[in-house]
Amino acid sequence: EVQLVQSGAEVKKPGESLKISCKGSGYSFTSYWIGWVRQMPGKGLEWMGIIYPGDSDTRYSPSFQGQVTISADKSISTAYLQWSSLKASDTAMYYCARSPTDWYFDLWGRGTLVTVSS
Amino acid sequence: DIQMTQSPSSLSASVGDRVTITCQASQDISNYLNWYQQKPGKAPKLLIYDASNLETGVPSRFSGSGSGTDFTFTISSLQPEDIATYYCQQYDNLPQLTFGGGTKVEIK
Repeated sequence: EVQLVQSGAEVKKPGESLKISCKGSGYSFTSYWIGWVRQMPGKGLEWMGIIYPGDSDTRYSPSFQGQVTISADKSISTAYLQWSSLKASDTAMYYCARSPTDWYFDLWGRGTLVTVSS
Repeated sequence: DIQMTQSPSSLSASVGDRVTITCQASQDISNYLNWYQQKPGKAPKLLIYDASNLETGVPSRFSGSGSGTDFTFTISSLQPEDIATYYCQQYDNLPQLTFGGGTKVEIK
């Protein structure tokens, strides 16, 4: 089955670090981009950035540049989104999604809920 | 930065009604416009790509049109299972993929 499986929900304190994951299966992981999308509670979708696991080419939305790091390990078909110091405003659902070179997202993970609270 | 203006932000329609949502780009994006459906508590789902191409498996009552700066998404006959929020997304300018603000569709 073609799918993206995301890691489970996280509850963290402000200032803590975090790395969430997105594992692809059922397709050639290195032939598609993987993007990350944030959805804050009750709000719309925001594109954060995208990585091509084949060569780790990574692009960031200007809004998220320097705030998060996107990486991938093609040997285990997994992409990552990480924070070095979380803030309460990072509380959101984070989706990973697959993109062919035409930059639409045709396959989505179920999302990882990140809650940051003291 | 390309801004996407999606309207309306919400609408209420009866089963069987024709529903239309528009998305306007702040500059020419050719046909680089996609549409997604997000049901409550679920991940988004691709419905239309490249402005007018129906994703495999998506019912034909969904359609998209437009090019340049003005785009339209249509549900030809609203069904109860279409209750969701719909988003447009442009990709003309990397690294700046942008989603519209969303349209919440409810049944009257």
